[in-house]
Amino acid sequence: AQSVTQLDSQVPVFEEAPVELRCNYSSSVSVYLFWYVQYPNQGLQLLLKYLSGSTLVKGINGFEAEFNKSQTSFHLRKPSVHISDTAEYFCAVTVTGGGNKLTFGTGTQLKVEL
Amino acid sequence: KAGVTQTPRYLIKTRGQQVTLSCSPISGHRSVSWYQQTPGQGLQFLFEYFSETQRNKGNFPGRFSGRQFSNSRSEMNVSTLELGDSALYLCASSLGNNNEQFFGPGTRLTVL
Repeated sequence: AQSVTQLDSQVPVFEEAPVELRCNYSSSVSVYLFWYVQYPNQGLQLLLKYLSGSTLVKGINGFEAEFNKSQTSFHLRKPSVHISDTAEYFCAVTVTGGGNKLTFGTGTQLKVEL
Repeated sequence: KAGVTQTPRYLIKTRGQQVTLSCSPISGHRSVSWYQQTPGQGLQFLFEYFSETQRNKGNFPGRFSGRQFSNSRSEMNVSTLELGDSALYLCASSLGNNNEQFFGPGTRLTVL
């Protein structure tokens, strides 16, 4: 079985500062990795995904993530955050070739302050 | 292109009742997955349907069931509702295996 750990439940940061949201995963088989964002009272929106190839993945809204197989990590970064980035962020994995069953982390609430 | 739609958006039921939630995927998408989101348990996978067949199933009791129609629309049913079933139920559609999943806005179910 797969599992995802998001160690930080909340991350406060000032506007225009950089931010890193941490994600570690556990799996005995190959996985695909995803970051989703959820704004209040809305569904989930895909920020970026790692399927294969370059370990540095760029997504929407200026976010990027780096896949590190040896550390089983997929941390999300943004060099300069905006107030509108305030939301909950979820890291997720799915087994390669195993359908679309996503296993999610517990989420990180990013709060951007002025 | 229209996104994933879910109906109803809000629902209030009492214990013991049953409920049916509906999900219309993006046109052309054949995979529909359902997730339950609660403050205590987070996001948990319920099941996935692909071309009218259940392809994956999460660890939920048999009170939770679903189906998919030939037009890819999907419904999930919860029978004998319990207070703990109060949650946001999210539906996601995808073209196929390991493709990006597009989520709907969810149905907020409250069980009293």
